[in-house]
Amino acid sequence: NAGVTQTPKFRVLKTGQSMTLLCAQDMNHEYMYWYRQDPGMGLRLIHYSVGEGTTAKGEVPDGYNVSRLKKQNFLLGLESAAPSQTSVYFCASSSVARFYNQPQHFGDGTRLSIL
Amino acid sequence: DAKTTQPTSMDCAEGRAANLPCNHSTISGNEYVYWYRQIHSQGPQYIIHGLKNNETNEMASLIITEDRKSSTLILPHATLRDTAVYYCIVHDAGGTSYGKLTFGQGTILTVHP
Repeated sequence: NAGVTQTPKFRVLKTGQSMTLLCAQDMNHEYMYWYRQDPGMGLRLIHYSVGEGTTAKGEVPDGYNVSRLKKQNFLLGLESAAPSQTSVYFCASSSVARFYNQPQHFGDGTRLSIL
Repeated sequence: DAKTTQPTSMDCAEGRAANLPCNHSTISGNEYVYWYRQIHSQGPQYIIHGLKNNETNEMASLIITEDRKSSTLILPHATLRDTAVYYCIVHDAGGTSYGKLTFGQGTILTVHP
């Protein structure tokens, strides 16, 4: 069972470089999310998507862009990386239920260091 | 979503029950209580959720007080692999929330041999 797969698992960038983090889910989930987690803190929502072709801002969206061209994939882009974006990035997905929101399934994270 | 308050850390002996409390005094009628945990370096893992009735699954039990202002997650027989950060999240089940979760600091549970 693959579930939610994130690539790459580790990456080191220099300030000003760009990169894209890929999240893929094989559960046919409608909703997908990108979070970041800094040391000693809980997860904070960056962007989310409620369906193919739609995205929305979360709590900390500045400096990031996202795209959801296919239902199973959610991409997180850093156009010009900054040291403040050094973090662990988690992707999650969930299905839609009528009366309550289904639990989120998380990937194992991408550890990103920006020098 | 309503805010939650959890102890920063707790200890538990292996094989004993671990009872993790959570206060959510401002919870509203359509908000569910969710529990997730995060084992070191891994993504968060869903444990259980409930609205007002007590819930049990293969991982844990969730006890919600009658006034819904607090809850307790119970791991009936804690093992060393249960050492993790446990997050209590109160979440609006309404359609416009789109499943977005707000994570606090959580409780660091350490299970000792």
